[in-house]
Amino acid sequence: GQNIDQPTEMTATEGAIVQINCTYQTSGFNGLFWYQQHAGEAPTFLSYNVLDGLEEKGRFSSFLSRSKGYSYLLLKELQMKDSASYLCAVRETGPHAGNMLTFGGGTRLMVKP
Amino acid sequence: GAGVSQSPSNKVTEKGKDVELRCDPISGHTALYWYRQRLGQGLEFLIYFQGNSAPDKSGLPSDRFSAERTGESVSTLTIQRTQQEDSAVYLCASSLVPGINQPQHFGDGTRLSIL
Repeated sequence: GQNIDQPTEMTATEGAIVQINCTYQTSGFNGLFWYQQHAGEAPTFLSYNVLDGLEEKGRFSSFLSRSKGYSYLLLKELQMKDSASYLCAVRETGPHAGNMLTFGGGTRLMVKP
Repeated sequence: GAGVSQSPSNKVTEKGKDVELRCDPISGHTALYWYRQRLGQGLEFLIYFQGNSAPDKSGLPSDRFSAERTGESVSTLTIQRTQQEDSAVYLCASSLVPGINQPQHFGDGTRLSIL
């Protein structure tokens, strides 16, 4: 089984940088995903980490430390449209794992002018 | 279509009725997933289909829930004798193959309201 924790809500200012943390406990780690979900819409894929380190994609970066069971999503040059929920999801190993993900509760980010 | 398609987009029904939700995955995607998302909460895994293998039903909350998928095409999620606690958004996702870095692509969901 898995336990995934992330803050419920965060607030940041337009143009600033925000870091959304995710900690997890799993019996067999096999990758971590970040998704963005605007209210009333489907989650959309942002990033994937399976090895330790930082993955950068434009304004968004994601970091993973497997030994610490820790990841963060870093959003730079915040825009109003970045206001959304950010979902951390972990895939574990095992015969039935396949690509099955366990999601955290999501972090609701509000970007203010 | 280009993305995962779900129908209906909204469903309102009376407690005790049966409902059937439909998901059309992206063409060629062998893996298909159903999730439930209650208001303000994260995604709760329900069931996973991969090709012709037996589905992983470990997330289904009760025997009132069932799902089927024919080959690598459409899937239906059926909820029998609905309860108010079943009210949620039901999301379907598909992925190309259960490869190590293949993301899941989500549909817009079906918003189910049980009166």
